[in-house]
Amino acid sequence: DSGVTQTPKHLITATGQRVTLRCSPRSGDLSVYWYQQSLDQGLQFLIQYYNGEERAKGNILERFSAQQFPDLHSELNLSSLELGDSALYFCASSVEDRGVAFFGQGTRLTVV
Amino acid sequence: DAKTTQPTSMDCAEGRAANLPCNHSTISGNEYVYWYRQIHSQGPQYIIHGLKNNETNEMASLIITEDRKSSTLILPHATLRDTAVYYCIVAPFGNEKLTFGTGTRLTIIP
Repeated sequence: DSGVTQTPKHLITATGQRVTLRCSPRSGDLSVYWYQQSLDQGLQFLIQYYNGEERAKGNILERFSAQQFPDLHSELNLSSLELGDSALYFCASSVEDRGVAFFGQGTRLTVV
Repeated sequence: DAKTTQPTSMDCAEGRAANLPCNHSTISGNEYVYWYRQIHSQGPQYIIHGLKNNETNEMASLIITEDRKSSTLILPHATLRDTAVYYCIVAPFGNEKLTFGTGTRLTIIP
């Protein structure tokens, strides 16, 4: 158990819908990262937040957004969902903004 | 980030040492070697990292060549639970944009 908690574990939704994925980092970790893993793309870095502020951005679509709240939990919002958004979404956390990252167990999103 | 090359797959007998190689010939002086593994769609698990000295922890040992162009992850006594995809990543320390390649699929055989 890495100490990073992601909810829900599974999510099935229809195209065009919007969903919110939640991540609670390890106790004391200030930095949260989001990754997407689809079958044909491998693990892709999406975005990082550090202590409430956006720190780095990767291959995140404009339809996706994220935020980190004062209690340090983070949410990833995915809107106008397409079939191709079906993937595993992982959250990771680290103590500072440049530490070794520990990953949660992921949310499996299926868009039908 | 420097690119890494790993074998696509490897087998290892249970109880034996598993030696996973990684080539990173274009590594820069400030880049570390990280190893993560992913067990069947679970979240990636951090294993170990190092700069130029060999490192050991409770999970594994990391051997980095003197020229730092390659490294080997050693699982000293492999068990069936070590069956996973192992990723070798080269990046500046704590680089948030960890670039996961395709990794090595390690299968531990009973």
